[in-house]
Amino acid sequence: KAGVTQTPRYLIKTRGQQVTLSCSPISGHRSVSWYQQTPGQGLQFLFEYFSETQRNKGNFPGRFSGRQFSNSRSEMNVSTLELGDSALYLCASSEYGRTSTDTQYFGPGTRLTVL
Amino acid sequence: QKEVEQDPGPLSVPEGAIVSLNCTYSNSAFQYFMWYRQYSRKGPELLMYTYSSGNKEDGRFTAQVDKSSKYISLFIRDSQPSDSATYLCAMSGTGFQKLVFGTGTRLLVSP
Repeated sequence: KAGVTQTPRYLIKTRGQQVTLSCSPISGHRSVSWYQQTPGQGLQFLFEYFSETQRNKGNFPGRFSGRQFSNSRSEMNVSTLELGDSALYLCASSEYGRTSTDTQYFGPGTRLTVL
Repeated sequence: QKEVEQDPGPLSVPEGAIVSLNCTYSNSAFQYFMWYRQYSRKGPELLMYTYSSGNKEDGRFTAQVDKSSKYISLFIRDSQPSDSATYLCAMSGTGFQKLVFGTGTRLLVSP
């Protein structure tokens, strides 16, 4: 099976712009989670989607949003970009995202740089 | 104070050494404890997963959880240069969802 894919791999934007990142989960996986990784804060949970519904949400401002499509592909959007949004954005997928042994598999991430 | 604390390193060891990586946490609701390995320019990959307290062994890797001390460890025996990576601990009260990660420890194993 192909792994989790994320596009684009690298992105450069300027402050105030908005950006959309895409994630294609492993075939058959219905749960998609998004994380932000920065050197100072490490990996922080953004949100999780299952069957096109946001099921869990982390402590990020409303500028960060996401959605999931019927084919389980997911996008996240960041509006009004700030310098502090520069980070590696990771997507992870799992089959159901519910049971305690439902392993998450991470994609390679999208490196976002905000100038 | 962060919920999960992890020494960022780097931790430099010679090939063949036993490596000990550790995390402390403050949330007593955590019951699921994971260790991930992340190579440069890659996403994290799951190494070990432990539920509640106790030890778990998988090849050269051993994970330990001490819930009474809120302390988890990952031991790597006979370390190899290919083990050079960042090791992230993660934990949750509900399985693999809403994981809370440590900031990661960078490990360097020299030949």
